[in-house]
Amino acid sequence: GENVEQHPSTLSVQEGDSAVIKCTYSDSASNYFPWYKQELGKGPQLIIDIRSNVGEKKDQRIAVTLNKTAKHFSLHITETQPEDSAVYFCAATLIQGAQKLVFGQGTRLTINP
Amino acid sequence: NAGVTQTPKFQVLKTGQSMTLQCAQDMNHEYMSWYRQDPGMGLRLIHYSVGAGITDQGEVPNGYNVSRSTTEDFPLRLLSAAPSQTSVYFCASRLGETQYFGPGTRLLVL
Repeated sequence: GENVEQHPSTLSVQEGDSAVIKCTYSDSASNYFPWYKQELGKGPQLIIDIRSNVGEKKDQRIAVTLNKTAKHFSLHITETQPEDSAVYFCAATLIQGAQKLVFGQGTRLTINP
Repeated sequence: NAGVTQTPKFQVLKTGQSMTLQCAQDMNHEYMSWYRQDPGMGLRLIHYSVGAGITDQGEVPNGYNVSRSTTEDFPLRLLSAAPSQTSVYFCASRLGETQYFGPGTRLLVL
């Protein structure tokens, strides 16, 4: 089955700097890669996703890149702000069928003012 | 819309006790899932349902039962709680590729 590895487990950056979180997946059949943000005491919330037929996707300060050959994908946050502090999870799955998400271990991002 | 709601928010059980974690959604989504979240392990799928009357096992189903009698509700049952089931439990419903998570239930088994 699918296995997703996420790094780093913790990341601390200065406000205004960029943050990058990386994930690798094992199943080459996976074709959908979402990223979730989890704030303290809340459930995860989808922030951006990418399908395997696209190499990069941007939404304002957030971007995701996908390298299918290497089976890794990354989340990029530019111009970080204090409200970006949270735990971020990557996931991978096959869109067809029940779409059982397999999550990475999570990255705790702290933005220092 | 209230989205996905979960009750209770927090529960303490003794080993061997049973309980049901409630999950409801008002978005008329066919797909619903239960995950557990443990430190350093991300979220792991326990059980899922693709519609009323249809359920299946996820990655870590042992010790848990589910049923789906209506589109709205998807309860998770612990028949005999064990300390290893101490975790935060999230219910989710799905529309298209997007999963919508509830606020979670924190469970402590002593």
